[in-house]
Amino acid sequence: DIQMTQSPSSLSASVGDRVTITCRASQSISSYLNWYQQRPGKAPELLIYSASTLHSGVPSRFSGSGSGTDFTLTISSLRPEDFAVYYCQQTYSSPSITFGQGTQLDIK
Amino acid sequence: EVQLVESGGGLVKPGGSLRLSCAASGFTFSSYSMNWVRQAPGQGLEWVSSISSSSSHIFYADSVKGRFTISRDNAKNSLYLQMNSLRAEDTAVYYCARGRDRFNSYYFDYWGQGTLVTVSS
Repeated sequence: DIQMTQSPSSLSASVGDRVTITCRASQSISSYLNWYQQRPGKAPELLIYSASTLHSGVPSRFSGSGSGTDFTLTISSLRPEDFAVYYCQQTYSSPSITFGQGTQLDIK
Repeated sequence: EVQLVESGGGLVKPGGSLRLSCAASGFTFSSYSMNWVRQAPGQGLEWVSSISSSSSHIFYADSVKGRFTISRDNAKNSLYLQMNSLRAEDTAVYYCARGRDRFNSYYFDYWGQGTLVTVSS
């Protein structure tokens, strides 16, 4: 199985900060990398697919980049509703799909 | 509006069975692959199973292979997960999620709210 490792596992930031979360794959996954946001008690929601394509309705302060094994999710200016857990997901080896362990983003 | 609504969760004893359902609306259900993803309490996301639009391709995570069965009824716009021989480690919130297959990408674009399965004596 392809292992996905996110860093950091948690971080604290303030409203207005720029934040970057990293996801590393154990082998090359081309651009088959997606990002999800999960707010407390809610289902995950798709943010970005194919490493850098913003899902419909997602604010432009979210962006993604990378290919191969290293990927990043950037939030350019944090808003209160952005404090959540973020997961990366690889679908390169679909149907064997794996998620990163998650990054908890808290308010400082 | 795309909607996915899971049901069927509950408390079951180890070794027992449970059948989850996911009712879909707001899109042409028969055109999309569907997935089950679970999340143990306080833990991350784990893909469980996938089924293609016509049920011709079905896949399972190793952790549930031989115990869980995914199926769908396109006439009823419904997805199912039959879970047998349940173990404590199957305790989780189970989400259904729509699969979206595009050139050089595959992702889960809509998710249900989840249904909690608790396996305990």
